[in-house]
Amino acid sequence: GQQLNQSPQSMFIQEGEDVSMNCTSSSIFNTWLWYKQDPGEGPVLLIALYKAGELTSNGRLTAQFGTTRKDSFLNISASIPSDVGIYFCAGQRRTGTASKLTFGTGTRLQVTL
Amino acid sequence: ETGVTQTPRHLVMGMTNKKSLKCEQHLGHNAMYWYKQSAKKPLELMFVYSLEERVENNSVPSRFSPECPNSSHLFLHLHTLQPEDSALYLCASSQGTGRSGNTIYFGEGSWLTVV
Repeated sequence: GQQLNQSPQSMFIQEGEDVSMNCTSSSIFNTWLWYKQDPGEGPVLLIALYKAGELTSNGRLTAQFGTTRKDSFLNISASIPSDVGIYFCAGQRRTGTASKLTFGTGTRLQVTL
Repeated sequence: ETGVTQTPRHLVMGMTNKKSLKCEQHLGHNAMYWYKQSAKKPLELMFVYSLEERVENNSVPSRFSPECPNSSHLFLHLHTLQPEDSALYLCASSQGTGRSGNTIYFGEGSWLTVV
């Protein structure tokens, strides 16, 4: 099936640094979502974006829905060790009352002290 | 706690066994999903149920059989699986209506190992 291009694939940063990752698609989505997945756990929703150009923050996280509706980025400021994990973007289209998510390939974040 | 509960969290089964994964959502949502996550692969959508009716089956082999008895419960029945079916199986749900109806919430997943 279709995949989103997510970059970078992995990042090694020092505690306190800012992080930026992004997703691009050849298709338009109605909604962009960002999830974080810890080892052995399911993805946890971080931020949901519903409108082109929307900029939304959740604590140290900020995400934007690109104006073309084909891209989104996620920034993490002042990273801390618990930010370690895999971050996934997902684009979403509605299918009647259900939703179809297309996931990015993930960005693996490692934070060193 | 996301409001989507999956059991068991870990399951080891032989290729001739029959087992089931269970999912329950406490969010009052109308749509439920099964996803498969294999190592180094993106999440793959397997099945979608909306208002207890299956609306999508992404070419999943018949050894996986979903069941949605009501809007709060979803099962994945497993029979004669192969070792390559070993993966993390994730259940999810969404409201289905309204501005945030697109937002999908995942359970913690069931780790399946087929031996």
